[in-house]
Formats: sequence, C-alpha cells, structure tokens
Amino acid sequence: ETGVTQTPRHLVMGMTNKKSLKCEQHLGHNAMYWYKQSAKKPLELMFVYNFKEQTENNSVPSRFSPECPNSSHLFLHLHTLQPEDSALYLCASSLKGSTDTQYFGPGTRLTVL
Amino acid sequence: AQTVTQSQPEMSVQEAETVTLSCTYDTSESDYYLFWYKQPPSRQMILVIRQEAYKQQNATENRFSVNFQKAAKSFSLKISDSQLGDAAMYFCAYREKYGNKLVFGAGTILRVKS
Repeated sequence: ETGVTQTPRHLVMGMTNKKSLKCEQHLGHNAMYWYKQSAKKPLELMFVYNFKEQTENNSVPSRFSPECPNSSHLFLHLHTLQPEDSALYLCASSLKGSTDTQYFGPGTRLTVL
Repeated sequence: AQTVTQSQPEMSVQEAETVTLSCTYDTSESDYYLFWYKQPPSRQMILVIRQEAYKQQNATENRFSVNFQKAAKSFSLKISDSQLGDAAMYFCAYREKYGNKLVFGAGTILRVKS
C-alpha cells in the first residue's frame, strides 16, 4: 500500500451515465495527477494539480472533468463517455509538482458499454 | 517532444538469474530524471529506481541497478538474482527536471520462471 487509494477499483457504466472516480493520498503531498492507461498504449498524463490548482490539462476531452477540493483529494467526474474511454485510470501524487517522485494508486478499471 | 522507447515487449528470466531491460529516450534537455516503475498484476504502480541525469553514478536499489548512458540516451534496468515476485510489467519513464509530466515507454512484461 503506497498511501494513495482509489475508489472504486472497478466501474462499469453506460455512455449516458455520470460517475466519479475518487483518489485520496495520505502522504502529505501537494501535487496530484490523473493518468490513463489503455491497452497497448503508454500511460498518458491527463491532469496535474499543484496545491489544488490545475496546472496541466493534456488536451483531455471535456467529458472528463477533474476536481481537487484539497491537496489530499482528487476526483475525476465522467459523463457521456465513449467505449474507447475504457481504460485503467491511475491517480498519483508527489510532494511538490516538479522535483519529486510520483507515487501511484492502484487504479480504477473503467469499462464503458 | 520527449519520447521513451522500450524495444522489448516481453522478457523471460530464470529464477536467481540476471535480466536486463532496455530503455532509450529522446530529449534535448541536459538535466532531467529517469525512472523505472513496476506494475504487478495487482496493478499498483511501484517505483523501482530513480536516476538524476546530472549524476554520473548509476543508481542502485538492492537487486536493481541501472546502466545510465547519457550520451547514448540509454537507461537500462538490471535485475539480479531474479525472484518470482519480480514478475510484472516494467515501465521506463522520463521527466524534465522542473516539469510535472512523466513520459512513459510502452512497457516490458517480465516473466520469471521457477
């Protein structure tokens, strides 16, 4: 257990559903990240938050909406997803945004029907 | 843009033997960080080892060591005395020194035979 938890671990949703992924870190870190891991593709950074402020959006479609209410929690709100959005969504955190190692959560396996 | 290439989709090693996983990268930066992460079937991505580009000495962590060749932009991972628990997907990753973004390679599946 690395101190970064994600819920749910598995999620199946229809294209018209709205759901949210949750990430929580217990490491006292100030930066949090969302990554997407699709089959046969390298991990892709989606969003970065430093001290609750979004500092990077890697051209992610608006059907993915992140929220960072505090430095310990990060959400990814999902709506009107497509089947190609099915993937493993990984959350990570680091002490500061730039110089520190990122530690990952176990991921949420998302299937969009 | 930086890229990371792992040319070995899959590798196998006998238990207690040594295996080397390859990684090359492309960057115009002179100072940066390189990482090896391990992702076992449980899916938890775990940091294995980290190398700072300005340090010439190769990083080591117990049975894990790297061969960092800056001029060749090569960053291979050597696992000595392989154990069954080493079986996982291994990802090589690059990050600019003052950047947030980790750029990952496609990964290498390591199988350990008993």
